[in-house]
This record gives sequence, C-alpha cells and structure tokens, in this order.
Amino acid sequence: AQSVTQLDSQVPVFEEAPVELRCNYSSSVSVYLFWYVQYPNQGLQLLLKYLSGSTLVESINGFEAEFNKSQTSFHLRKPSVHISDTAEYFCAVSERGNTPLVFGKGTRLSVIA
Amino acid sequence: KAGVTQTPRYLIKTRGQQVTLSCSPISGHRSVSWYQQTPGQGLQFLFEYFSETQRNKGNFPGRFSGRQFSNSRSEMNVSTLELGDSALYLCASSAGGPYGYTFGSGTRLTVV
Repeated sequence: AQSVTQLDSQVPVFEEAPVELRCNYSSSVSVYLFWYVQYPNQGLQLLLKYLSGSTLVESINGFEAEFNKSQTSFHLRKPSVHISDTAEYFCAVSERGNTPLVFGKGTRLSVIA
Repeated sequence: KAGVTQTPRYLIKTRGQQVTLSCSPISGHRSVSWYQQTPGQGLQFLFEYFSETQRNKGNFPGRFSGRQFSNSRSEMNVSTLELGDSALYLCASSAGGPYGYTFGSGTRLTVV
C-alpha cells in the first residue's frame, strides 16, 4: 500500500532564506506526486504535481520539487521565502490509475521576519 | 469559473445526531472525493464518487455514507455522531483521475 512520510512537522525559517520541505513515499508501482498548501481556515490548494516526464516541476510562485525515483522522494524547495509563504504544506501520492490521494501528515512552515 | 462549494462552512451538532454536508464541484467535473482532516490523524480519505457511483471507499465505519447526484453534486452523511467525528470535512473535485484535485474550503463540524 502507498504511504507518504513528511519528515518535519514544523519548519521555522527567516524571511528571504531558502527552505526545503522533505517528502518520502512508499509504493510498489509508479506514482503521481503532489504538493498542496493550506492557509488557515481554508481548503487545500494545489501547488505543483509530477505525473511524468521532467523530474523537476515548478509552481508559479517560486516553489519547485524534484522527483527522485531511486530515493522515493519528492522534496519541495524555494530559494527565498516570504512571510506570505507561512502555511501548512502537504505531500500526496496516488498510484497510477484511479486511486485516491494519500497525504502525508503535513509540514507547518513558519516564515519569520 | 466557480470553485468547489461546500455548505455549510460551520456546523455544531450534539452526540447521537446525524448531519448532512453538501459539495458542489467545479462545472464539468464528474469525480468528487471526501476527506476528513483532524489534528491527530491528518487527512484521511472517506470516499470517491464518479458519475453517481462510489468508486473508492476509505476505512471509515458505516455511519459515514455519501452519494452523488446526476448533476455531480455530492452529499455525505454521518449518523449517530460521536465526539471524535469533530473535524474539517473537505470535498475535492476532478475532471477524472488524479490530475490535480480542486478542494473546497471545507465544512468544520463540531460535535458536543
């Protein structure tokens, strides 16, 4: 069965510093991978996704994630964070086909001024 | 294009009661999924409907049920509410397959 591990429950970082949120998955078949962001009292917003092709995927607001099949990882990175990036970030996996998303426990990113 | 709409946003119920939550997906989306979010368990999959048929089901007791109508709108029902059912219930719609679900803002259910 598929599973997702987000290694850090909380990550504090100073504004304009780089950040990496780690995500590892477990699956016996090929997968689709996603990062979602949740702001307080809101639903989840899709940040970026890996379905196939280039292993490096980017979002419109400066985040990127790299799919590493050998390490079964999909870490999220941003070279310079802003206060507005403060939120909870969820990594999710779905095995190819019509299987539901399985989420990690989330990482709370706190950007400090 | 309107997003996924969930109603109501907030709900307070008493133990033993039942509750119905509603979800209107993005126009044209035929897949609707429901998730329960709690601080302790995180995001857990409840069920998925596609063209009025339940396609997948999570590991929840039979008190949790759902349905989907011909216009793709979906409802979930929880009967005999327990304190542990207090959670944020999120609905997500998709055009089909996991090509990026769009989530609603959720219904926060509090059971007292």
